[in-house]
Amino acid sequence: EAGVVQSPRYKIIEKKQPVAFWCNPISGHNTLYWYRQNLGQGPELLIRYENEEAVDDSQLPKDRFSAERLKGVDSTLKIQPAELGDSAVYLCASSFLLNEQFFGPGTRLTVL
Amino acid sequence: QQQVKQSPQSLIVQKGGISIINCAYENTAFDYFPWYQQFPGKGPALLIAIRPDVSEKKEGRFTISFNKSAKQFSLHIMDSQPGDSATYFCAASYITDKLIFGTGTRLQVFP
Repeated sequence: EAGVVQSPRYKIIEKKQPVAFWCNPISGHNTLYWYRQNLGQGPELLIRYENEEAVDDSQLPKDRFSAERLKGVDSTLKIQPAELGDSAVYLCASSFLLNEQFFGPGTRLTVL
Repeated sequence: QQQVKQSPQSLIVQKGGISIINCAYENTAFDYFPWYQQFPGKGPALLIAIRPDVSEKKEGRFTISFNKSAKQFSLHIMDSQPGDSATYFCAASYITDKLIFGTGTRLQVFP
C-alpha cells in the first residue's frame, strides 16, 4: 500500500516569495491533515479536512496561508508571502474517518 | 490546558537497557494517547497507543503505562536496540481528533 506522498521534499525560497506544497493521501482516506513541525518540536495542526470540507482551520494563519482539497483527494497548502519564521517541516497526514493518522515524509521549507 | 509536557529532551541508553520517556497532560477530556516514532527525514509513525480505560498496554518490546489520576503516561522500551534510535513523541487527543504533541525525546542507543 502506497503511503502519503508529499512534494517537493525540500524547498528554499527568499522571504516574501510564495510557495506551495502538495499532498496525496492514502487511497480511501477521507480525512487529511496539514501539520507544521518546527525544529526540535512536535507537529502542530494547521488544518484538517474531512473530504472537501475544512473542519478545523483554527490554527491556520489565514493572512498568509491557504489550503484547498479539491475533489476530496489531493491537497495543496500555500504560503504567500513567506516569512523567515515559516521555516519548518510541513507534514501531511491522512486517516480513514478519525482513526490512526499516517504521516508523509514532509516538505522541509527554508526561507532566507 | 492543551499542552502535553514530555521529558527528558534527550536520552542515551546502552543496548539491552530500558528506555523510559514520560509525558503529562492537563486536559481530562483527552481520551487517546499515542506514541509516535520519527526517524530523520521521515514523518512520524504510530508506535503504540492507549485509551484511559486501561493502565498498561504492551506490544512487543514497547509498553505504555497510564496513570489517569496523575494525568501521566510513559513509554517503556525494553531491550533497547540501536535501531530504536529516533525521536519519540507522545501525543493526546479527544476522539483521535486534533493530536496535541509533546516536544519530543531524542533517543540514542549505543551498542
